[in-house]
Amino acid sequence: DQQVKQNSPSLSVQEGRISILNCDYTNSMFDYFLWYKKYPAEGPTFLISISSIKDKNEDGRFTVFLNKSAKHLSLHIVPSQPGDSAVYFCAAMNYGGSQGNLIFGKGTKLSVKP
Amino acid sequence: DAGVIQSPRHEVTEMGQEVTLRCKPISGHNSLFWYRQTMMRGLELLIYFNNNVPIDDSGMPEDRFSAKMPNASFSTLKIQPSEPRDSAVYFCASSRWTGVAGELFFGEGSRLTVL
Repeated sequence: DQQVKQNSPSLSVQEGRISILNCDYTNSMFDYFLWYKKYPAEGPTFLISISSIKDKNEDGRFTVFLNKSAKHLSLHIVPSQPGDSAVYFCAAMNYGGSQGNLIFGKGTKLSVKP
Repeated sequence: DAGVIQSPRHEVTEMGQEVTLRCKPISGHNSLFWYRQTMMRGLELLIYFNNNVPIDDSGMPEDRFSAKMPNASFSTLKIQPSEPRDSAVYFCASSRWTGVAGELFFGEGSRLTVL
C-alpha cells in the first residue's frame, strides 16, 4: 500500500508558465515533507521541504504548499524553465523519527517545452 | 567536497551470478542508505545504517540480498544469486544524522541489468 502517491506520472508545461506537481499521503503521522529532483543518470537531489507546522514554504521559483486536512501537498514552479525538466519525487516522514522512515512517491516526470 | 560515490555505474550480468555494488558516503556523514528504483515501485528503501550499524533491513527483498558497512567510508550491497527481476537502479545515500530529519545526499546510482 502506497503511503505517498504521485498520481501523475508525467506533466508537460510551456516555458514561462506555472508547473504544479501534486502529492498525496495517507499516513497521518507524517509531519515533514520533501521534494527531490532527479535528472537522467544522476541521483536525486534535495529541492525544498516543509514542516507540518507551516502551510507554505518558498524558495525562489519553487513553492511547496501543504494541506494537512486533505493530506495533500503540491510543488509550484514559477516561471518554469527548460532546465526544470526532470523527475520530481515527493517524500514524507515523521520529523522526530528515524530517517529510515522517509517514504518516496513514484515520481512525476516534468517536461518544460521552450 | 566529493559527493556520494557509487560503483559500478553500470553492471550487466547473467542470472545466477553474484553482484556487488559499492558505496563511499560523504565524509563525516554517519547514516547510509541503500535504495532501489524501479518503474513499478519507485524509490524503495532497502536498508540503512547508522554509525556503521544496520538499523532497519526490512526493505531487503529476500535473503539473496545482503549489505555490509565495515567502516564509516565504505558499504556494499550484494545480490547472490542475481535474478532478472533484480534489474533496477540502486542508489546509495548518506546524511549526517542529528536526531531529526536531515537532507539525504544521493550518489549517481548503479544501473543493474540481469539477463
